[in-house]
Formats: sequence, structure tokens, C-alpha cells
Amino acid sequence: QSVLTQAPSVSAAPGQKVTISCSGGSSNIGNNYVSWYQQLPGTVPKLLIYDNKERPSGIPDRFSGSKSGTSATLGITGLQTGDEADYYCGTWDNSLSAIIFGGGTKLTVL
Amino acid sequence: QVQLQESGPGLVKPSETLSLTCTVSGGSISSYYWSWIRQPAGKGLEWIGRIYNSWTTNYNPSLKSRVTMSMHMSTNQFSLTLSSVTAADTAVYFCARAMAGGLRFDYWGQGILVTVSS
Repeated sequence: QSVLTQAPSVSAAPGQKVTISCSGGSSNIGNNYVSWYQQLPGTVPKLLIYDNKERPSGIPDRFSGSKSGTSATLGITGLQTGDEADYYCGTWDNSLSAIIFGGGTKLTVL
Repeated sequence: QVQLQESGPGLVKPSETLSLTCTVSGGSISSYYWSWIRQPAGKGLEWIGRIYNSWTTNYNPSLKSRVTMSMHMSTNQFSLTLSSVTAADTAVYFCARAMAGGLRFDYWGQGILVTVSS
């Protein structure tokens, strides 16, 4: 059971928009930055978003991040079949003094 | 271009110690946070711990009693030991680099599958 809660799966049609949520608490998301990672099938996780909403160089602006209170959200617009992957949120937890990840959300582009 | 490569045995017997090394090329291991993260087959990511400033470590509380990490500046490597392993420790183990702040994993190794079995 992860400290950060993510829906196990989400689906949407190509070209549509999807949001993936990550819910935590005051000891983690509420007081720390959130990062998001994309893991395509059989590959290494890739940094998509850091510091809640910043995109690393090379990440298209179809991907966006936001945070409000103790929840964070990853948004993906203009969905492509190549976006089918597992998406993980991560942050620091002050109580655990540890980095924690959400359980992951599997995105299916129908 | 920074590259990370995990190395170590792919098979460890129950109750023994798992030892892995991450070799960093294309950049120095100073001034960054270096983590180990694992992923059991079909499951999510679990952070094991990190080392920075050559000796400062943070470990996942659930693994802390069994984990040790160290850095080897002369060889640009850092390592993980996990003692008293069980089948539950079977996973792909990744090493990863994080920027200042430690939450931004920008470079990852390819991962190494470690199976705990007799």
C-alpha cells in the first residue's frame, strides 16, 4: 500500500486529454515538490515533470504538472498510442525521511 | 552524456547478501544524489535509499536495517548491499541520479534483475 495514492488505470481515446492524480498528505505532497515519471513497457522510467510543473528539456508541452494542497496532477493532451505507459508520481516524505512513489497509473490509449 | 550501469550477480541465495555496483560515466559522482530504486515484476517503484556528499545516506525505513550504501569517488561508482535477502527482494534494481534537492531523477541505469532463489 503506497503512501501516495494513484488510480490503477485510466484510459482515453487518441487526441483526447487525460489527467492522472496523485494524492498524499501534509508530510509529503503538501510540503514538498512532486516529480512524475513515464515508464513505457519494458523500459526504464523517464522523468516527465519535476518541481511540480517543470518539464525537462525534450519533454513536449503536451505533458503538464500541477499541485494543489496535498494532491498533484499530471495532464497529457493530444494523446498518442505511444503514450501508453505506467506513470508514477514521487516526492519526499518528511515523516519517513524517505522518497516515496505512488503505486502507478497505467494509461491505455484506446 | 551521463550513463549509469548496474552490475552484480543476478542470482542470490536466500539469507545471503545482495551486492550491486553502479558505474557512472560521462560525469562526476560528486555534487549529486545517487539512489537505488527497485521494481518487482509487474509492480511499482520502490525507493531503497540514496547517498550524497560521499557519506550522507538516507534509507527507506522498511529496508533500513538491511541496507548499506557507499560511494567510491576514485572509480566513479556507488554501491548497494542488502543483507538477509528473501524471495520478496527479487526485483529489477535501478541506480539513478538526482539533481540538487534529490527528487529529480534525471538519469537512470538500465536496471539489473536480481533473483533470490536457492
